[in-house]
Amino acid sequence: EAGVVQSPRYKIIEKKQPVAFWCNPISGHNTLYWYLQNLGQGPELLIRYENEEAVDDSQLPKDRFSAERLKGVDSTLKIQPAELGDSAVYLCASSSSGTAGNTIYFGEGSWLTVV
Amino acid sequence: DAKTTQPPSMDCAEGRAANLPCNHSTISGNEYVYWYRQIHSQGPQYIIHGLKNNETNEMASLIITEDRKSSTLILPHATLRDTAVYYCIVRGRDTGRRALTFGSGTRLQVQP
Repeated sequence: EAGVVQSPRYKIIEKKQPVAFWCNPISGHNTLYWYLQNLGQGPELLIRYENEEAVDDSQLPKDRFSAERLKGVDSTLKIQPAELGDSAVYLCASSSSGTAGNTIYFGEGSWLTVV
Repeated sequence: DAKTTQPPSMDCAEGRAANLPCNHSTISGNEYVYWYRQIHSQGPQYIIHGLKNNETNEMASLIITEDRKSSTLILPHATLRDTAVYYCIVRGRDTGRRALTFGSGTRLQVQP
């Protein structure tokens, strides 16, 4: 079974440029998460989707970050414009409501460097 | 969800058991204990979770104390590839779709 797939794996952009990250969750998982991980710290939730609905986006900086999950499967996280402080790893994860304990599975992450 | 306390770092000799402790003294009856690990440059990897009883899978064993206020993750025969940051997370059962809240974790260094 394929895991959570993210792309790109690495991205270097100049500040003020836009960037987008894509995530394909595990097949059948209706819950999707985007996390941000700064160097040396644990991941922090940005947004959680139940199917196509964003049910928890309280930690998403809405002035420059946006996300969508139009058909309840793939998702895209966008930053526009990027700032130097946005350099971090962006992790996507998914879970299924039918799984005992609802275990969350993570992708490998997208490493962003803003210069 | 209850907060957890873990030692910031631990060392273990290769081939020996690694015992990683976690304190979750404010855990409530409907909360699971989850363990994840993160190897450098990779996403967090699910290891194991439990509610009350001890659990074992192909990766590790989870020992939860009877009062559920602490737990220990056991890697029975640590290898160099087990060097990682290990996160202990408490998560509500009836809010099973809520996100995991990560702390700082324990950095386990397996020595040759």
